[in-house]
Amino acid sequence: AQSVTQPDIHITVSEGASLELRCNYSYGATPYLFWYVQSPGQGLQLLLKYFSGDTLVQGIKGFEAEFKRSQSSFNLRKPSVHWSDAAEYFCAVGTSNDYKLSFGAGTTVTVRA
Amino acid sequence: DTEVTQTPKHLVMGMTNKKSLKCEQHMGHRAMYWYKQKAKKPPELMFVYSYEKLSINESVPSRFSPECPNSSLLNLHLHALQPEDSALYLCASSQVGRVFGNTIYFGEGSWLTVV
Repeated sequence: AQSVTQPDIHITVSEGASLELRCNYSYGATPYLFWYVQSPGQGLQLLLKYFSGDTLVQGIKGFEAEFKRSQSSFNLRKPSVHWSDAAEYFCAVGTSNDYKLSFGAGTTVTVRA
Repeated sequence: DTEVTQTPKHLVMGMTNKKSLKCEQHMGHRAMYWYKQKAKKPPELMFVYSYEKLSINESVPSRFSPECPNSSLLNLHLHALQPEDSALYLCASSQVGRVFGNTIYFGEGSWLTVV
């Protein structure tokens, strides 16, 4: 079975600074990897996904993520954060075999002025 | 900009009430999902419908009863709930098939409070 670890529970970053959120996955075959963002009181919004091909994927809101098979990682980055990026971020892994997504525990991002 | 629409946004119900949560999508997706999310936790899968048939039930108590009337609609019927069932209930949808990788799109959720 697949699993996801997000090592950072909470990250505080200054507005305009760069952000990197870590995600490590465990899965024997090629995973389908996702990052979702959840603003307070909202549902989950898909930021980006990786299925195959180019290991650097671009998403919405200026986010990008890099798939590194050797490190079983799929870290999310943004060069310059905005106050509106304050939210909960979930990394998730899916497979080609079923409908189940395995979510990480989430990382809360706080943006200070 | 979600294309999965959930109603109501907020629901307060007593433990003896019967209520329903509704979900609609018009993306042509043939898989639809119910998730439950407690505060500060990731979503937990409850049910999956594929081609309007129940495909996965994650051992959810029978006080939660899903229904998929057609390919665009998904309901969650609630009866005799407990206060610990208070949570955000998320509906989601996806295409079906390996080539799509089952990218799951979520709605805004329905906040349920059981009193």
